[in-house]
Amino acid sequence: AQSVAQPEDQVNVAEGNPLTVKCTYSVSGNPYLFWYVQYPNRGLQFLLKYITGDNLVKGSYGFEAEFNKSQTSFHLKKPSALVSDSALYFCAVRDTGAGSYQLTFGKGTKLSVIP
Amino acid sequence: DGGITQSPKYLFRKEGQNVTLSCEQNLNHDAMYWYRQDPGQGLRLIYYSQIVNDFQKGDIAEGYSVSREKKESFPLTVTSAQKNPTAFYLCASSIGGGHTEPQHFGDGTRLSIL
Repeated sequence: AQSVAQPEDQVNVAEGNPLTVKCTYSVSGNPYLFWYVQYPNRGLQFLLKYITGDNLVKGSYGFEAEFNKSQTSFHLKKPSALVSDSALYFCAVRDTGAGSYQLTFGKGTKLSVIP
Repeated sequence: DGGITQSPKYLFRKEGQNVTLSCEQNLNHDAMYWYRQDPGQGLRLIYYSQIVNDFQKGDIAEGYSVSREKKESFPLTVTSAQKNPTAFYLCASSIGGGHTEPQHFGDGTRLSIL
C-alpha cells in the first residue's frame, strides 16, 4: 500500500531564510509525487510534481523539490521565504505499481514565515 | 475562467437528515473526486469517478453516496448513516486516464451539525 509521511506538523522560518518542508513516501512501484498548498478555508493549489527525469523539480511561486530515490524522500524547498508563503502544505503520492488512480496525501505541514 | 465550483460554502445538518453537496467543473475533466479533510488528518478519499455513470468507493465511503450522471457534475450526499459528518469537504477533478496529471480542487464546503 502506498503511504506518505510529513514528519513535521509545523515549520517556522524567518522571512528571507531558506525553507524546507519534508516528505517521505512508501510505494511498491515507482512513485508519482506532488506538492500542494492550502490557504485557510480554500481548496488545495498544485505547486509541482515529479514523474520521471531530473531529480530537482521546479514549480510555482519559486518552490522546488528534490526527489531522492534512495531515501524515498521528496522535500519541498524555497531559497528565500516570504510571509505570504505561510500556509498548509501537503505532499501526495501515487503508486504506479499499484495500478491505482488514488492519490494518498500526507497529514500536512503548517508553514509559518515570521517577518 | 475554468475551474471547480463547490456549493454551498457552509452547510448545516440536522439529526437524521441527508444533505447534498454540489460540485461542478468546466475543465472538461473526465475524473472527479471527493475528499474529506479533518484537522491534522490530511485528506481522505470518499469516492471517485473516472467516467460518467461510473464511480468507485474510496477509503471512507460509508455513510456517503454519489452520482455521476453528467461529466461536469459529481454531487455528494452525506446520509444520516454518517455519524460524524462535521468536516471540510473538497471536490477535485483531473484529466482522466493518466496517472501523471495533478488534481484541481474546489474551495470546499464546510459541513457542521446543528
